[in-house]
Amino acid sequence: EPEVTQTPSHQVTQMGQEVILRCVPISNHLYFYWYRQILGQKVEFLVSFYNNEISEKSEIFDDQFSVERPDGSNFTLKIRSTKLEDSAMYFCASSVRERTYNEQFFGPGTRLTVL
Amino acid sequence: GNSVTQMEGPVTLSEEAFLTINCTYTATGYPSLFWYVQYPGEGLQLLLKATKADDKGSNKGFEATYRKETTSFHLEKGSVQVSDSAVYFCALSVYGGSQGNLIFGKGTKLSVKP
Repeated sequence: EPEVTQTPSHQVTQMGQEVILRCVPISNHLYFYWYRQILGQKVEFLVSFYNNEISEKSEIFDDQFSVERPDGSNFTLKIRSTKLEDSAMYFCASSVRERTYNEQFFGPGTRLTVL
Repeated sequence: GNSVTQMEGPVTLSEEAFLTINCTYTATGYPSLFWYVQYPGEGLQLLLKATKADDKGSNKGFEATYRKETTSFHLEKGSVQVSDSAVYFCALSVYGGSQGNLIFGKGTKLSVKP
């Protein structure tokens, strides 16, 4: 069964460093998403991406964040200068846009720890 | 705006007990509703969904009915097992103006004791 994959599973970085989180969505999906979950809190939407551009972004997704689909398979989230409060689990998701609902398939997540 | 409210946890039950996790929503537009489950150390998995009023989603013995009149989507299971221990998230997605990002509730942690 096709699945969304994410690498690395755990990333430790120093405050101020750049990190890139990688995702491989399901191959025939067209819409891609990043969410994050700070430990013990709810899952929050960051950004959606379609047709090589950002469709929607939340207030969390400020100038230090960027997304890219550099080739036909990968979807990346870059954090330019990490802060302590960026420590969270980051989930990638993808979907085929249906007419009536939007079922998103999630990857296993990347745990980002900023020291 | 759009939001999801679900009951606070943690919920602790004995094996074979009946489970209800309440979820209510506020939405502009006509949402689709979902329950996601997160097992310890794992990512989010879709448990069940419902896309229109009175639809019942079901999977692995869990059920939830889309109630438009009460804006609710409560999760139920008749007899829980230890393996059901996880965090359960209610979520909605509104087709239309936005690209349909999921809006999650805070999650309810369920612990099932043998």
